[in-house]
Amino acid sequence: GAVVSQHPSRVICKSGTSVKIECRSLDFQATTMFWYRQFPKKSLMLMATSNEGSKATYEQGVEKDKFLINHASLTLSTLTVTSAHPEDSSFYICSARGTAEKLFFGSGTQLSVL
Amino acid sequence: RKEVEQDPGPFNVPEGATVAFNCTYSNSASQSFFWYRQDCRKEPKLLMSVYSSGNEDGRFTAQLNRASQYISLLIRDSKLSDSATYLCVANTGNQFYFGTGTSLTVIP
Repeated sequence: GAVVSQHPSRVICKSGTSVKIECRSLDFQATTMFWYRQFPKKSLMLMATSNEGSKATYEQGVEKDKFLINHASLTLSTLTVTSAHPEDSSFYICSARGTAEKLFFGSGTQLSVL
Repeated sequence: RKEVEQDPGPFNVPEGATVAFNCTYSNSASQSFFWYRQDCRKEPKLLMSVYSSGNEDGRFTAQLNRASQYISLLIRDSKLSDSATYLCVANTGNQFYFGTGTSLTVIP
């Protein structure tokens, strides 16, 4: 099956620093990747749709200057949380569209901002 | 109205019970549907695709009713390891719409 690799799995950082999260499709090309965040015991919230070679499409209420998304190749999308603050602490998950319209997820990144 | 509506539960059932989850979707143009399972602090994992003809994988049966715009998941002979959150997903064009998830706890 399709594999999506996400790194790092856990980040602890100081307030004001920027954090980059990588999402790679290992055995297939993904023209579209998705980024989500999830708070404890809450549902997945789509943040943005990342399209290879073009600008990401952000969901309403998600600051594009705060959450920078780059999808420079068919196998890699990155999410950078700029000037992270404690309220940005969350579980961030990426996913990629694979064959047969199925969605495959990275293992997630737990971000803790102190 | 949300694209996908799902009863959040929680469902607490004894081992061996049969439990069913339903999910409705609002966009008749949605073309494919899936059930995902998510364990606490883990990523969602694909459980099964859902077809109009119905599909079965061991103790799990999924069904799609396009006329009524709902999908269902039936779990027979529940195991403790089935405890998780189950997410229904509708794919419309380039977007995937998730339900809020239904929490299932199987009790010994």
